[in-house]
Amino acid sequence: GENVEQHPSTLSVQEGDSAVIKCTYSDSASNYFPWYKQELGKRPQLIIDIRSNVGEKKDQRIAVTLNKTAKHFSLHITETQPEDSAVYFCAAIMYSGGGADGLTFGKGTHLIIQP
Amino acid sequence: DVKVTQSSRYLVKRTGEKVFLECVQDMDHENMFWYRQDPGLGLRLIYFSYDVKMKEKGDIPEGYSVSREKKERFSLILESASTNQTSMYLCASSGQDSGTEAFFGQGTRLTVV
Repeated sequence: GENVEQHPSTLSVQEGDSAVIKCTYSDSASNYFPWYKQELGKRPQLIIDIRSNVGEKKDQRIAVTLNKTAKHFSLHITETQPEDSAVYFCAAIMYSGGGADGLTFGKGTHLIIQP
Repeated sequence: DVKVTQSSRYLVKRTGEKVFLECVQDMDHENMFWYRQDPGLGLRLIYFSYDVKMKEKGDIPEGYSVSREKKERFSLILESASTNQTSMYLCASSGQDSGTEAFFGQGTRLTVV
């Protein structure tokens, strides 16, 4: 099955600086890579995703890059703000004609924005 | 607005009890998932289902079973609860098409004493 590694486990940055979280995956058949943000005491929510036919996707201060050859993808947050403090999870999944395999998550990164 | 609802927010059960965790979604999603979330271990897949009466084991199925008799409902069953099953349990659902978002329930904090 799929195995997703995520680094770092904790990331502390100054407000206004950039944050980068990296993930690698093992199954080259995976074709969909979402990122979830989980605030304390709340459910994980999708913040951005990328499909395997795209190398980069951007949404305001958030971007995701995908390197299929190296089997890694990264989340970039620019101009960080206090509300960015949360746990971030990357995930990988293979969607086929018959549906999806289980969505496999990384262990999570606790992002701390220092004022 | 997609809704995934878990039957209980907090649950306390005794060792050896049979425990049912219920999850209902209202978006006609084909895929449903059960995860447990533990500090430092992230979200680990227990079971998933891609259709009614269909189920597949995830990464940590031992000690759990599931039931999907109707499309909108996916139940997680702990046959004989143990203290190492104390955890946060999250249900999720997603559509069949490539690259559809998974929506999560609010979670059930289960404590086995």
